[in-house]
Amino acid sequence: GDSVTQMEGPVTLSEEAFLTINCTYTATGYPSLFWYVQYPGEGLQLLLKATKADDKGSNKGFEATYRKETTSFHLEKGSVQVSDSAVYFCALRSSGSARQLTFGSGTQLTVLP
Amino acid sequence: DTAVSQTPKYLVTQMGNDKSIKCEQNLGHDTMYWYKQDSKKFLKIMFSYNNKELIINETVPNRFSPKSPDKAHLNLHINSLELGDSAVYFCASTLGTGVLDTQYFGPGTRLTVL
Repeated sequence: GDSVTQMEGPVTLSEEAFLTINCTYTATGYPSLFWYVQYPGEGLQLLLKATKADDKGSNKGFEATYRKETTSFHLEKGSVQVSDSAVYFCALRSSGSARQLTFGSGTQLTVLP
Repeated sequence: DTAVSQTPKYLVTQMGNDKSIKCEQNLGHDTMYWYKQDSKKFLKIMFSYNNKELIINETVPNRFSPKSPDKAHLNLHINSLELGDSAVYFCASTLGTGVLDTQYFGPGTRLTVL
């Protein structure tokens, strides 16, 4: 079945540091890949997505590239801010997963001023 | 305008009670979902409806019963609540059931069973 393995947290960084959160996946067929963000006390918001190999999703300074050869979709940001503190979820949706999202375990990011 | 809304936001109740959580979306989407997020933040699909028809029913106790009166609403009724049901429940919707469709999530309902 489909699965997503995500870098374990928590991750604590200073403001303006570089961020990488690793995500690898196993899926049937050609999945779409997503990063969702959950701010404290809120629901999940789509951060970015990529739907085919070598696509790069980007939003709010965050980027992730769909790497089929390494089955990865790592999230990066060049300079994090305190307001980026949240839980980040990698997810996939494939034809083999009956259309629902399969999530990674989430990574808690705390950015200190 | 709220795209996917849930009520209530917080629900505290005693073991053995029956409770419902409501979800509504105003996006015109055809497909709606319920996810459960446990205390470790792990998210797992519970149910999905497409045009009021059940299409996903994961291994969930029979005490959980989804109901979709129309395609804009998907409610979750839970009978005989147990301590292990304490979690945050998220509703979500998509335009269709394609792989490319983006899911939009509600704000969540934090259920605490005492």
